[in-house]
Amino acid sequence: DGGITQSPKYLFRKEGQNVTLSCEQNLNHDAMYWYRQDPGQGLRLIYYSQIVNDFQKGDIAEGYSVSREKKESFPLTVTSAQKNPTAFYLCASSIVGGYTFGSGTRLTVV
Amino acid sequence: AQKVTQAQTEISVVEKEDVTLDCVYETRDTTYYLFWYKQPPSGELVFLIRRNSFDEQNEISGRYSWNFQKSTSSFNFTITASQVVDSAVYFCALKTGGTSYGKLTFGQGTILTVHP
Repeated sequence: DGGITQSPKYLFRKEGQNVTLSCEQNLNHDAMYWYRQDPGQGLRLIYYSQIVNDFQKGDIAEGYSVSREKKESFPLTVTSAQKNPTAFYLCASSIVGGYTFGSGTRLTVV
Repeated sequence: AQKVTQAQTEISVVEKEDVTLDCVYETRDTTYYLFWYKQPPSGELVFLIRRNSFDEQNEISGRYSWNFQKSTSSFNFTITASQVVDSAVYFCALKTGGTSYGKLTFGQGTILTVHP
């Protein structure tokens, strides 16, 4: 079945470390997105990409980086510059008609 | 800039009660799409409905119904005869422009708890 796979489901990071969250889709969607979810704040856009090798900053891009070398993959790196990275991260893709979301990665700083 | 407001942070009801989740949006675009998503405890977002700005007809799908009113910039969601399985976080979202690509702007979400 087609869908979006996010891994890992849970991730623990020590302060000062970079970590990379994986997002893979087999839906042949051109556009992909990363959202951050914090309690009471809804989902906020971090980065999005409309085509391979191109991406744009969203509303809260500081402290994050992405790449889009393949259509299927859109990994997100949380760098040590992100001051408060503990959150739930959702990846999504879209095509005509709507969006598909992954099941998320919960990142905790320890 | 666009904005979505879900003023109800949490709602608690008893099974079989009807419940309405409010959504108010702001945009200067004349073409846009509105969405409702359900987020169960497992975390993924489940698509419920999409409505474009040119279609103000209300919609009913089983126990779910949606009331879209451009005059008040609202897109409210009603669950009739609520069930425990309806317990989740519900998000209203807005996408501006006429293309299928582009970012969704989400509301803060409403936590719905249905008690048996």
